[in-house]
Amino acid sequence: EIVLTQSPATLSLAPGERATLSCRASQSVNSRHIAWYQQKPGQAPRLLIYAASSRATGIPDRFSGSGSGTDFTLTISRLEPEDFAVYYCQQYGSSPVTFGQGTRLDIK
Amino acid sequence: QVQLVQSGAEVKKTGSSVKVSCKASGGSFSSHTITWVRQAPGQGLEWVGRIIPFLDIVDYAQKFEGRVTITADKSTTTAYMELSGLRPDDTAVYYCAKEDYGGKSEDGTWTYYYYYMDVWGKGTTVTVSS
Repeated sequence: EIVLTQSPATLSLAPGERATLSCRASQSVNSRHIAWYQQKPGQAPRLLIYAASSRATGIPDRFSGSGSGTDFTLTISRLEPEDFAVYYCQQYGSSPVTFGQGTRLDIK
Repeated sequence: QVQLVQSGAEVKKTGSSVKVSCKASGGSFSSHTITWVRQAPGQGLEWVGRIIPFLDIVDYAQKFEGRVTITADKSTTTAYMELSGLRPDDTAVYYCAKEDYGGKSEDGTWTYYYYYMDVWGKGTTVTVSS
């Protein structure tokens, strides 16, 4: 099973700042098989990024993804108030599908 | 655009079973999987298993093998996840989601591969008490 480790666990930033979230895999993952999700309290996760760097339908271009091998990054260029949430990375190339433990993005 | 509508909250006793439904509307039930993910209170996301309704192929996380059964009724475009032998640590929100999939044949054996979860249901809260 591929273990995904996200860092930091919590990130405190102000609106307008840049957020960089990391996801490290326990073994190499094809970048086509990495996704990022956003989850707000009481809501289901929402797909943001798939194939490491492709934005899902309707996702603003301030969200971007990058990475390869074992290291992947989600960047939010300028934080909007609605971006404060929990973010999960996921690998879907190997069974079982696994998720990182999440990064909570808090308002500073 | 596919939408997934899940059944309502359940309260169960330890040792009993729960069956959660997920009805797909607005798209073809045949071209994607229905996968199940759970989230315990204050915790992260955990994959439970999936079904390819068109092929009736299921795939379960090893942790749940023997306790979970995922089925699909193509006539009503509804998938079901039944979890038996409930314990208090099964208390969670159970989500269904849609994945696209593909397959390839090698030496007559089909292998399936899956994509990201692009549509999610709102979740069903299952509470297990002793």
